[in-house]
Amino acid sequence: QKEVEQDPGPLSVPEGAIVSLNCTYSNSAFQYFMWYRQYSRKGPELLMYTYSSGNKEDGRFTAQVDKSSKYISLFIRDSQPSDSATYLCAMSPSGGNQFYFGTGTSLTVIP
Amino acid sequence: DTAVSQTPKYLVTQMGNDKSIKCEQNLGHDTMYWYKQDSKKFLKIMFSYNNKELIINETVPNRFSPKSPDKAHLNLHINSLELGDSAVYFCASSQAARAAFFGQGTRLTVV
Repeated sequence: QKEVEQDPGPLSVPEGAIVSLNCTYSNSAFQYFMWYRQYSRKGPELLMYTYSSGNKEDGRFTAQVDKSSKYISLFIRDSQPSDSATYLCAMSPSGGNQFYFGTGTSLTVIP
Repeated sequence: DTAVSQTPKYLVTQMGNDKSIKCEQNLGHDTMYWYKQDSKKFLKIMFSYNNKELIINETVPNRFSPKSPDKAHLNLHINSLELGDSAVYFCASSQAARAAFFGQGTRLTVV
């Protein structure tokens, strides 16, 4: 079993839709949770970063962490064509020295 | 000012050649990484250095040799390049594995 599972998609939604991206994980030691956005031919860009459980909001983006279910989500409100990219989740344990990545979900927002 | 910069951005070379990729970060982070991203966008850790000390050395052919002259620089040298080495290589840095910041990638094509 992989440490981090992420549905690769592809996911295609109309402009203005609410997008929900999810990852599950198996290691209860994970404490730091990240979402990255990667445009084609670019490096992954840190989008959201949370510690432990709870919600974090930044503009149209909301990250949720449910440690009891070992489940994290990224919500994108009022999605725009510029949100079309691959979204990668990542996590790391407290005191650890590496990150565990999901395989990425490809998102296309259709105008 | 770019936080994590790597050069070159593109590298096309023949099988059997030796090549190097350089990486520099100006974030003051203690840890730097090399990742390989395959065509399916999965990020695979190759090496990690903490304050110039190698801490992660995944199962990678010994033709790949990282070097960290100081904590702001991490280079990757590849000997006797093979077709299967074609991929995008990303350098990243972090402070205590809390969130990684990536360079723009080096797209290596071996012909």
